Amino acid sequence: DAKTTQPNSMESNEEEPVHLPCNHSTISGTDYIHWYRQLPSQGPEYVIHGLTSNVNNRMASLAIAEDRKSSTLILHRATLRDAAVYYCILRDPGAGNMLTFGGGTRLMVKP
Amino acid sequence: DSGVTQTPKHLITATGQRVTLRCSPRSGDLSVYWYQQSLDQGLQFLIHYYNGEERAKGNILERFSAQQFPDLHSELNLSSLELGDSALYFCASSVSAPINEQFFGPGTRLTVL
Repeated sequence: DAKTTQPNSMESNEEEPVHLPCNHSTISGTDYIHWYRQLPSQGPEYVIHGLTSNVNNRMASLAIAEDRKSSTLILHRATLRDAAVYYCILRDPGAGNMLTFGGGTRLMVKP
Repeated sequence: DSGVTQTPKHLITATGQRVTLRCSPRSGDLSVYWYQQSLDQGLQFLIHYYNGEERAKGNILERFSAQQFPDLHSELNLSSLELGDSALYFCASSVSAPINEQFFGPGTRLTVL
């Protein structure tokens, strides 16, 4: 899988938007961009994924750069429950179904 | 609640022993994945089973093995345990399409003393 780069940690205030960046300059044309998060003492949880166009769901939005070399996960109003490690993962449908986790970004939310 | 169950929640054992971790996937999911999370290695993929057949192997040691049974539950067997095998072991399940999301269980925390 192509490599992703994320900041180790970020801090946000409660009820403010959070933009979590991910760089993936070696992304291939068939790689999907996935985001998972891991809350403390829990297993990872799916957040969102996309290929080329921006995506929205009930949890977050995913903004994908036009050249696809970077993406941003947007939490519109951070809550204390959003404090977690966020993983940006590239998945090629033809290269197996496993998830390859990097270090992720630890998001801290201040009340 | 993801719908994936794992037992036991905690396991404490001694070096050299053998343990079995159990996973029940979400109803209808044919794929089961095992992952290991340790402090120094992070989250690592171990093995993938689809409808009873092994589909992919990751960084799984030869001392570790897994299987998926006809009722689709899966077991991860860890033998000749070493201190370094202490970790969280997660099971995940998904429907067959490769890009579909994986649903993770709560994990089994293994401590080898």
